[in-house]
Amino acid sequence: GENVEQHPSTLSVQEGDSAVIKCTYSDSASNYFPWYKQELGKGPQLIIDIRSNVGEKKDQRIAVTLNKTAKHFSLHITETQPEDSAVYFCAGTPSQGNLIFGKGTKLSVKP
Amino acid sequence: KAGVTQTPRYLIKTRGQQVTLSCSPISGHRSVSWYQQTPGQGLQFLFEYFSETQRNKGNFPGRFSGRQFSNSRSEMNVSTLELGDSALYLCASSRPNFAGGYEQYFGPGTRLTVT
Repeated sequence: GENVEQHPSTLSVQEGDSAVIKCTYSDSASNYFPWYKQELGKGPQLIIDIRSNVGEKKDQRIAVTLNKTAKHFSLHITETQPEDSAVYFCAGTPSQGNLIFGKGTKLSVKP
Repeated sequence: KAGVTQTPRYLIKTRGQQVTLSCSPISGHRSVSWYQQTPGQGLQFLFEYFSETQRNKGNFPGRFSGRQFSNSRSEMNVSTLELGDSALYLCASSRPNFAGGYEQYFGPGTRLTVT
């Protein structure tokens, strides 16, 4: 079955710096890769996603890249702000309705 | 548009009891998925329902079950509770989009504590 690995598990950056989180997946059948942000006491919030027929997608300060051959995808956050502090999860989708999540990255943005 | 709602938000049960959690999806969404979140195992897929049928199932014991009603609302049940069942149970709803994506939108979760 699908296995998604996520690195790093924790990431600390200064406000204004960039943050990069990387994930790898194992199942070639996965064709949709969402990223979620989870704040304390809340459910995961979908922040950006990418499909396997696209190499890169950008939404303001957030971008995601996908290398289908190498089976890895990354989240890039530029000009980080304290409110970006949260746990971020990547996921693969081997079948509809079934998300396989990475273990999460706790991002801390220091003012 | 209202988001995914889950009830109750918090629950304390004793080992051996059973529990039922409820999820109301976003209006128009017909797929509901359930996940268990724990510090040790992270987010794990339980099962997914679409049009009242279980379409996908994760690797959990038979004590975990679910169902979906004709209005797309879903419930999950855990019988014979164990201490290890203490977790945040998350529900997510989705609808197919024209690009073939399956965006899932999560509710706030139900925090279950088993003592």
